[in-house]
Amino acid sequence: KQEVTQIPAALSVPEGENLVLNCSFTDSAIYNLQWFRQDPGKGLTSLLLIQSSQREQTSGRLNASLDKSSGRSTLYIAASQPGDSATYLCAVPSGSARQLTFGSGTQLTVLP
Amino acid sequence: NAGVTQTPKFRILKIGQSMTLQCTQDMNHNYMYWYRQDPGMGLKLIYYSVGAGITDKGEVPNGYNVSRSTTEDFPLRLELAAPSQTSVYFCASSYPTSGTDNEQFFGPGTRLTVL
Repeated sequence: KQEVTQIPAALSVPEGENLVLNCSFTDSAIYNLQWFRQDPGKGLTSLLLIQSSQREQTSGRLNASLDKSSGRSTLYIAASQPGDSATYLCAVPSGSARQLTFGSGTQLTVLP
Repeated sequence: NAGVTQTPKFRILKIGQSMTLQCTQDMNHNYMYWYRQDPGMGLKLIYYSVGAGITDKGEVPNGYNVSRSTTEDFPLRLELAAPSQTSVYFCASSYPTSGTDNEQFFGPGTRLTVL
């Protein structure tokens, strides 16, 4: 059974810092990996999807990497801003219907 | 496109009551999912559907039922509400086109409290 772990559970940084969020998964036979952002009391917004054949995916100040062999993905946020404060979730699909298995998330606070 | 829509946004139920959470998508996606999210946790799969008339259980199906009569709609039914079902419920959809492609799109969620 696939298990997804995110460390740390919470992170607080001053504005302007570059930061890395970590995601690990136990079964390396994945189709892809998806990173989401969740604001308090809100739904999930998809940030990046990395295909299993890719090593990196970039969107603006966000860069996600994937190392299937070691079962790890990182989300790099450059020049963090208070508006980046949210919970970040990673998820991998498995099963015939590609249902997602989620990590518990990293709650990020960027201090002005 | 409205994407994935869910109603209601909020609901308070008494123990033993029943209700249906509605989910509709307008992207012609064949795969649809229901997840629940408990406080401070990731999401867990309740039920999923790979097309109209086809549904299957996920990780936490007890206390729930689903149906899929059309491509667009995937309602979730709670028959006898219990406090353990207090959670936020998310509906999602996707259209896998290849072995590696399966971006899932989520609705805004329904916040359910059972008292």
